Amino acid sequence: DPKIIQKPKYLVAVTGSEKILICEQYLGHNAMYWYRQSAKKPLEFMFSYSYQKLMDNQTASSRFQPQSSKKNHLDLQITALKPDDSATYFCASSPHWVSQNTLYFGAGTRLSVL
Amino acid sequence: GDSVTQTEGQVTVSESKSLIINCTYSATSIGYPNLFWYVRYPGEGLQLLLKVITAGQKGSSRGFEATYNKEATSFHLQKASVQESDSAVYYCALSDTSSGSWQLIFGSGTQLTVMP
Repeated sequence: DPKIIQKPKYLVAVTGSEKILICEQYLGHNAMYWYRQSAKKPLEFMFSYSYQKLMDNQTASSRFQPQSSKKNHLDLQITALKPDDSATYFCASSPHWVSQNTLYFGAGTRLSVL
Repeated sequence: GDSVTQTEGQVTVSESKSLIINCTYSATSIGYPNLFWYVRYPGEGLQLLLKVITAGQKGSSRGFEATYNKEATSFHLQKASVQESDSAVYYCALSDTSSGSWQLIFGSGTQLTVMP
């Protein structure tokens, strides 16, 4: 059974709309992350959280807002969607923030913005 | 900044043949980065395949090997005899903790298809 659940697997949105990507981990980890991969580009780090607190933010746009309602949840809200936001978004976790070299990933949410 | 380059987006190999997936890196700090290979099987998340934290050392897992070559700044992934079940996307990555960042920097991935 997958230990990191991302929902939905596929998402189609129209330009200007807002979507929330869901991530839950059942590994008992204290740190969670979001990465993004656009077509033919490297996997790109977005955010890291430790004990529900933001540790690192490499996303220039405020349209991307992580939301952590519980220690094992880190959702990603994206507002005013643009076609360039089309990508696969991966959630990940690690036992602790400083051990993020070994990450455990979800299967991803593939977002297409029309 | 730091970066990882995987020149092949797709590689196709026949079953039982050998494999090499290229990875080179650039790390801007004075220290040596930690190097990783992650693999993503169809429908699953990325998972750690192997890691090497000391220059000159070799890591191995599930028949795959990679040697940390600091002179060539390379970390190529090799396997002597691939199987159909090895078909997946392989990502090279580095972390450069001496720069103060704990982030993993990934390459763009190489899709491996093993033909029966």
